[in-house]
Amino acid sequence: GAGVSQTPSNKVTEKGKYVELRCDPISGHTALYWYRQSLGQGPEFLIYFQGTGAADDSGLPNDRFFAVRPEGSVSTLKIQRTERGDSAVYLCASSSGTGGNEAFFGQGTRLTVV
Amino acid sequence: RKEVEQDPGPFNVPEGATVAFNCTYSNSASQSFFWYRQDCRKEPKLLMSVYSSGNEDGRFTAQLNRASQYISLLIRDSKLSDSATYLCVVPASGTYKYIFGTGTRLKVLA
Repeated sequence: GAGVSQTPSNKVTEKGKYVELRCDPISGHTALYWYRQSLGQGPEFLIYFQGTGAADDSGLPNDRFFAVRPEGSVSTLKIQRTERGDSAVYLCASSSGTGGNEAFFGQGTRLTVV
Repeated sequence: RKEVEQDPGPFNVPEGATVAFNCTYSNSASQSFFWYRQDCRKEPKLLMSVYSSGNEDGRFTAQLNRASQYISLLIRDSKLSDSATYLCVVPASGTYKYIFGTGTRLKVLA
């Protein structure tokens, strides 16, 4: 596909459960970002990958959150023991990664923890 | 001071009006800046990049003031379709981490 693809588009889960959110970036983009957006707020940085490695994971709120990008393309954001406060839209973006370049966003995964 | 600050609005303006938003940033070393547009329940999309003093694209003008550390977005001849949230984005110094402001909500009224 031409754009960033995220699946699922919506996820409802029970408190305490484990979830995985998937991001398929634009082909050839080396940089991949995960953001979290709550209602009325701007996207909040979580983690950034350059290739396979997490170049900056300073935005991950705690150790329940983890992300991987094993082959430098698709990334998975993993949340353990979900809490109601994790409910938000999780946005993935990719860019050509040379710094200062436009980041293209996927449509997001709306996570609801009940 | 927050890394990127915006007035959340909303700015309610009549069709045809000119409206301007400011965004202040704390990192004096930042070199590139972006304005993104976000429609309700949609993903952010790039509106304009700002690499030097400014950029103009049709009715939209972005300006950078490095001395005062702010960027502005000016929209002339507002259209109903301009109603959206406008997000200011500044890469963190020395990294490719993009920091977003909270966004400024614009409503253009008929």
